[in-house]
Amino acid sequence: ETGVTQTPRHLVMGMTNKKSLKCEQHLGHNAMYWYKQSAKKPLELMFVYSLEERVENNSVPSRFSPECPNSSHLFLHLHTLQPEDSALYLCASSPAGSGYSGNTIYFGEGSWLTVV
Amino acid sequence: GNSVTQMEGPVTLSEEAFLTINCTYTATGYPSLFWYVQYPGEGLQLLLKATKADDKGSNKGFEATYRKETTSFHLEKGSVQVSDSAVYFCALYNAGNMLTFGGGTRLMVKP
Repeated sequence: ETGVTQTPRHLVMGMTNKKSLKCEQHLGHNAMYWYKQSAKKPLELMFVYSLEERVENNSVPSRFSPECPNSSHLFLHLHTLQPEDSALYLCASSPAGSGYSGNTIYFGEGSWLTVV
Repeated sequence: GNSVTQMEGPVTLSEEAFLTINCTYTATGYPSLFWYVQYPGEGLQLLLKATKADDKGSNKGFEATYRKETTSFHLEKGSVQVSDSAVYFCALYNAGNMLTFGGGTRLMVKP
């Protein structure tokens, strides 16, 4: 138990569906992240929210839409995905701030997404 | 920019063998360095970290030393177990809330 909870753990969706991934953290952090982990590829940072404002969007297609309603919750809304979007989506949280303090990011267990 | 390079896997070892997974980095300033582990079917878990030069992070028999002169943070364990089979990610954390990962190294330990 890392204090970061992701639901659902597994999701199968069709290309025309709309679904959402949810992330909740109980660590009092104020930065949250979405990462994508595909087979045989490095982890890809998708979005970063700090103090509920989006601070990073790494050229992610618009079919992925993040939402951060408060510092404890983060969503990833999915719409008209492609089979190549099938991957493990990892949520993470950390205290906002510089790396000098050695802040550590805590990850959820991930949501396995399969697009059919 | 920041980058992390890890040795490619898979690394296959027999139980009780010595493990080294190499990691080198490029970064501005003084990043913090991490090793994360991902067991089959799970998310990433922090294994150990070091926040300044010459620090040694250690956990569960694994250790890594922050070497600024060689920009390295190699992961070592003296005697691996089957339960250590996982993917290991080296990462650095710098200003701006960004965590940069290496590509991951899969370790397979055989009985």
